[in-house]
Amino acid sequence: AQKITQTQPGMFVQEKEAVTLDCTYDTSDQSYGLFWYKQPSSGEMIFLIYQGSYDEQNATEGRYSLNFQKARKSANLVISASQLGDSAMYFCAMREVGAGGTSYGKLTFGQGTILTVHP
Amino acid sequence: DTGVSQDPRHKITKRGQNVTFRCDPISEHNRLYWYRQTLGQGPEFLTYFQNEAQLEKSRLLSDRFSAERPKGSFSTLEIQRTEQGDSAMYLCASSLGLGYTFGSGTRLTVV
Repeated sequence: AQKITQTQPGMFVQEKEAVTLDCTYDTSDQSYGLFWYKQPSSGEMIFLIYQGSYDEQNATEGRYSLNFQKARKSANLVISASQLGDSAMYFCAMREVGAGGTSYGKLTFGQGTILTVHP
Repeated sequence: DTGVSQDPRHKITKRGQNVTFRCDPISEHNRLYWYRQTLGQGPEFLTYFQNEAQLEKSRLLSDRFSAERPKGSFSTLEIQRTEQGDSAMYLCASSLGLGYTFGSGTRLTVV
């Protein structure tokens, strides 16, 4: 079964500093996708970044980058130059192969990390 | 297109009552997913549809839960004989290709 582990229940960072949120995963699939989402207190899930299992380069999206270490089964999110608006819950998620072998199945989420950015 | 819409945003119901939630996905998205999220936890998968076909159901989806997507567009999630343990945020997401777009959720409180 797929499993995502986020071992940091809460993280604190000073504004303008960088922070790394940890994520490890477990899967027997060869093809999978890893996602990071941000969930502010308002509740919506905001997509941040995606890494495919066959992508050789680490994904980057603006201030977000994903440190993908396939052999270690880790997909850590790095947020550079933290802003006060980055304070939120962050979820790592993995896309499974879909039912019947279709490519796009459900997402399995980790427990989340609450990030607090201090001024 | 305004994204994934969920209705209602909040629902308070008495234990034992039935409730129904609606999700309107992005119009061209053929896949639709339902998740449940309790406070401080990550979303847990309930079920998903490709067009009108329900392809997978979680064991979390007890016989009190049923979901439909009759014409491959909007979907409904019904909970019968609600219990206090059903109190949670119910999230809907839709997808066409690689990404998933989430709605703002329906927060259910069972009293």
